[in-house]
Amino acid sequence: DSGVTQTPKHLITATGQRVTLRCSPRSGDLSVYWYQQSLDQGLQFLIQYYNGEERAKGNILERFSAQQFPDLHSELNLSSLELGDSALYFCASSATLPGTGELFFGEGSRLTVL
Amino acid sequence: DQQVKQNSPSLSVQEGRISILNCDYTNSMFDYFLWYKKYPAEGPTFLISISSIKDKNEDGRFTVFLNKSAKHLSLHIVPSQPGDSAVYFCAATPTSYGKLTFGQGTILTVHP
Repeated sequence: DSGVTQTPKHLITATGQRVTLRCSPRSGDLSVYWYQQSLDQGLQFLIQYYNGEERAKGNILERFSAQQFPDLHSELNLSSLELGDSALYFCASSATLPGTGELFFGEGSRLTVL
Repeated sequence: DQQVKQNSPSLSVQEGRISILNCDYTNSMFDYFLWYKKYPAEGPTFLISISSIKDKNEDGRFTVFLNKSAKHLSLHIVPSQPGDSAVYFCAATPTSYGKLTFGQGTILTVHP
């Protein structure tokens, strides 16, 4: 158990809809990261938040947005969903101090767009 | 632009033998390199890491080798066990904290 909690574990929705994925980081971790893993793809970095502020941005679509709340949980909002958005979405958190670069991952939210 | 590459999508080895997983990178700013293991229906879990000031790091059956001049790292698993069967991801970062850039992953299958 990494200590990172993601909900929901599975989500099935239709094209054009909007969904929200939720992540609770490990206790004490201020940084939250979102990654997308599509079929046969590696983990693609989407966005990072640190203590409520956006810290780094990857290849995140304009239809996607995220935020980190004062209690440090984070939400990833996916709108105008397309078939190609079907993927595993992972949240990760990390310690605030320099370390070995390790991120701690949740079990992921599997999104299926029909 | 794929900055971290794992060119072997899959690897099959016999139990007890050595498994060698390879990874290449292009960004010379990367300073920390990590290996993650992922089982189906689970999130990636950290396995072992190495900083650029070292060329080898060992943890039990797992050893990571870094060749900075070749921008290449490898993970050796000796001896391989059936429970090691999983997807292995190589990752890199320019600092000891912050986002990781991942390779595509290599599916390791260890046969009894």
